[in-house]
Amino acid sequence: EAAVTQSPRNKVAVTGGKVTLSCNQTNNHNNMYWYRQDTGHGLRLIHYSYGAGSTEKGDIPDGYKASRPSQENFSLILELATPSQTSVYFCASGDGGTGGDTQYFGPGTRLLVL
Amino acid sequence: GDSVTQTEGLVTVTEGLPVMLNCTYQTAYSDVAFFWYVQYLNEAPKLLLRSSTDNKRTEHQGFHATLHKSSSSFHLQKSSVQLSDSALYYCAPGASGYNKLTFGKGTVLLVSP
Repeated sequence: EAAVTQSPRNKVAVTGGKVTLSCNQTNNHNNMYWYRQDTGHGLRLIHYSYGAGSTEKGDIPDGYKASRPSQENFSLILELATPSQTSVYFCASGDGGTGGDTQYFGPGTRLLVL
Repeated sequence: GDSVTQTEGLVTVTEGLPVMLNCTYQTAYSDVAFFWYVQYLNEAPKLLLRSSTDNKRTEHQGFHATLHKSSSSFHLQKSSVQLSDSALYYCAPGASGYNKLTFGKGTVLLVSP
């Protein structure tokens, strides 16, 4: 089965520090997504990409940057981490289906910013 | 903009009884797909159902949903829930011309013995 993996799985960071979350997919999908999940808010889209070299802003991009250096890899970067960015982050790849991707999620990264 | 409204919060159902989780949406697009994702505790979300055909019933793992564009709804139903159905459920419409989805806030289904 095709897979989406994320690293690290758990991360503790300090306020003001830089955090990079990595995602790798072997689905050969063009589309990749970064979400954060918070109780009461569900899954919210941060950034997404339609292919290597491209990134697009999602619904809540402030405080985050994204990088897609290759088909397989998509990173989420927090240049100056803040406690409000404490959350669970999910990466997903999408199959480019008409009218909306079927998305395949990674296992998630738990980020705690102190 | 596009939006989706789900039954909010917690739905508690006794094992063996039926359940319906509501999902209604607003979208400017006509040619869109609709999804239900399920997330079990400490796991990633995964696809449960997908549909893009109006008035067609879609089934998987004992759950079913019918897309009704006339009422902008895609409710999730099961006739007899099991303890293993306890999970967080997300409704998510797509967008014509785009691939990204808009996820609802999610509904927690708790099945009690």
